[in-house]
Amino acid sequence: EVQLVESGGSLVQPGGSLRLSCAASGFTFNNFVMNWVRQAPGKGLEWVSSISGGGDTMYYPDSVKGRFTISRDNSKTTLFLQMNSLRPEDTAVYYCTKGPRRRLDWLPTHEYWGPGTLVTVSS
Amino acid sequence: EIVLTQSPATLSLSPGDRVTLSCRASQSVSSYLVWYQQKPGQAPRLLIYDASNRATGIPVRFSGSGSGTDFTLTISSLEPEDFAVYYCQQRRNWPLTFGQGTKLEIK
Repeated sequence: EVQLVESGGSLVQPGGSLRLSCAASGFTFNNFVMNWVRQAPGKGLEWVSSISGGGDTMYYPDSVKGRFTISRDNSKTTLFLQMNSLRPEDTAVYYCTKGPRRRLDWLPTHEYWGPGTLVTVSS
Repeated sequence: EIVLTQSPATLSLSPGDRVTLSCRASQSVSSYLVWYQQKPGQAPRLLIYDASNRATGIPVRFSGSGSGTDFTLTISSLEPEDFAVYYCQQRRNWPLTFGQGTKLEIK
């Protein structure tokens, strides 16, 4: 059974940094794209980043490019999101999701989701 | 960036009703359109991928259709557990984008 469990969310001041983690189990981690998707309180879904199974290809939307970095440790089956220069508009529940393939030349669906971790950016 | 517009924003229906939700793309996404369901307090769940393919474990009452810019998600007979928010997402181009959602509420 695929399991994804996010951690690391907390209250942080504007301009601060935070690192999210997602512990994965139940599948061969390095064979699959992983992603982050966020949802601001009471709002819709926004894709945040994707990383290939080998960790050599990443994509970001303009809203986080240059501030957020996705990475993975395949030996520990863990996904990360380093968030710098945080803004109040980054306040959201952050979900870790699994894609169905290894490479990002096949743009991913979000096949499985973790329960999410809440990041609040406020002074 | 491809913009997805879902309509209507909210639908009030009764169990047993048939419902069709719409998702329109600002440019062609071919068949690379995905549907998710989200219940209150839960993470979203994948329902339909590539316009018409049910994900694993999804009941047959859920079906998807469309191509190009116009897509629909149909629920043939609403069950009580189907009242939720439904999102579409395109995977034709980066950045991946979602529609704003359609909420199904009980009449």
